[in-house]
Amino acid sequence: QLQLQESGPGLVKPSETLSLTCTVSGGSISSSTYYWGWIRQPPGKGLEWIGSIYYSGTANYNPSLESRVTISVDTSKNQFSLKLNSVTAADTALYYCARLIHYGYFDYWGQGALVTVSS
Amino acid sequence: EIVLTQSPATLSLSPGERATLSCRASQSVSSYLAWYQQKPGQAPRLLIYDASNRATGIPARFSGSGSGTDFTLTISSLEPEDFAVYYCQQRGNWPRTFGQGTRVDIK
Repeated sequence: QLQLQESGPGLVKPSETLSLTCTVSGGSISSSTYYWGWIRQPPGKGLEWIGSIYYSGTANYNPSLESRVTISVDTSKNQFSLKLNSVTAADTALYYCARLIHYGYFDYWGQGALVTVSS
Repeated sequence: EIVLTQSPATLSLSPGERATLSCRASQSVSSYLAWYQQKPGQAPRLLIYDASNRATGIPARFSGSGSGTDFTLTISSLEPEDFAVYYCQQRGNWPRTFGQGTRVDIK
């Protein structure tokens, strides 16, 4: 059974960089069938797609975040990562990693990592 | 960016009743639309993809229809575990976008 697990600091100071890693188990991140992605959900609000990456390193980002976000993949560790710089309180959210099928639907999700931006 | 508008915002129904949820796109997404269910404290769960295909393990009481700009998720007979928030999401264009959600609660 495929499992995804987010990890990283739960508290980030304003203007600093948010860094999260998603560890995939029960399957290979190097599969040619799937993309891998990040989605976030501010407390009590809806879902926002952040970006997606293929095992080769090809990535796509939400234009609303593109200037601040980098998603990378480490196939040797079966992990992919999110970096979001210059964070503000508006970036406080539950961050999910997920697997994509058919180039755009999220079929397996991590449990989510709450990241709070506060001094 | 394609905006997805879900209606109603809240649907109050009783177990056994039929639920009909709507998702309207600001421009055509062909059939590239999915539906997710989210319960409190849980990640979303994929229910329907490509407008009408049930994801693995999803009960037959969930069905999806539509194409272009108008889509519907139908739950034929609500079970107690179906009371949750439902989101639509499109992959017809970049960036991928989600609707704001419809809450189905117990009447």
